[in-house]
Amino acid sequence: GAVVSQHPSWVICKSGTSVKIECRSLDFQATTMFWYRQFPKQSLMLMATSNEGSKATYEQGVEKDKFLINHASLTLSTLTVTSAHPEDSSFYICSARSLLAGVLNEQFFGPGTRLTVL
Amino acid sequence: KQEVTQIPAALSVPEGENLVLNCSFTDSAIYNLQWFRQDPGKGLTSLLLIQSSQREQTSGRLNASLDKSSGRSTLYIAASQPGDSATYLCAVGGGSGNTGKLIFGQGTTLQVKP
Repeated sequence: GAVVSQHPSWVICKSGTSVKIECRSLDFQATTMFWYRQFPKQSLMLMATSNEGSKATYEQGVEKDKFLINHASLTLSTLTVTSAHPEDSSFYICSARSLLAGVLNEQFFGPGTRLTVL
Repeated sequence: KQEVTQIPAALSVPEGENLVLNCSFTDSAIYNLQWFRQDPGKGLTSLLLIQSSQREQTSGRLNASLDKSSGRSTLYIAASQPGDSATYLCAVGGGSGNTGKLIFGQGTTLQVKP
């Protein structure tokens, strides 16, 4: 099946620093990638939709200058949390969608990245 | 605005029992509905995807049904096993434009006791 990877799997950083998270589709080309965040014991909340070669579309309430998304190729999207603060600590999960992935519109999820900001 | 609700929030059953997880959504104009499994601290594993034109999908011991008109889906797990213990999430794919956006429910945390 389609595989999506994320790197790093976990990261601890100091308040005020920036952190970059990578999301890669390993065996298919992802025309669209999605970024979610998940707080403990809560469900996933969509942050933004990333289409290759164009600007990301952010959900209401998500600061685009704080969460920078780049989708430079059909297999890689990055999320950069700029000037991270403790309230940004969360589980960040990406997903990838390809019309060639076997089932129209099915999304495949990465394993997630645990971000802890001290 | 689409809202997805899952009931119950938590469920504990003895091994071997058949069980049903429920998912309801407020806007019936959906593109598809997907059931996922999430183990603690891990990402999501897709279990079943039902297109809006379909009524059910089956995979092994899992069967998912979809009733768009009533805004409901159920995930049936037959002969539950301890390895089925996880959080089960349902997610609804938006209706118009095929944007791919998924709206998630809060999940049902299942514990299957040996």
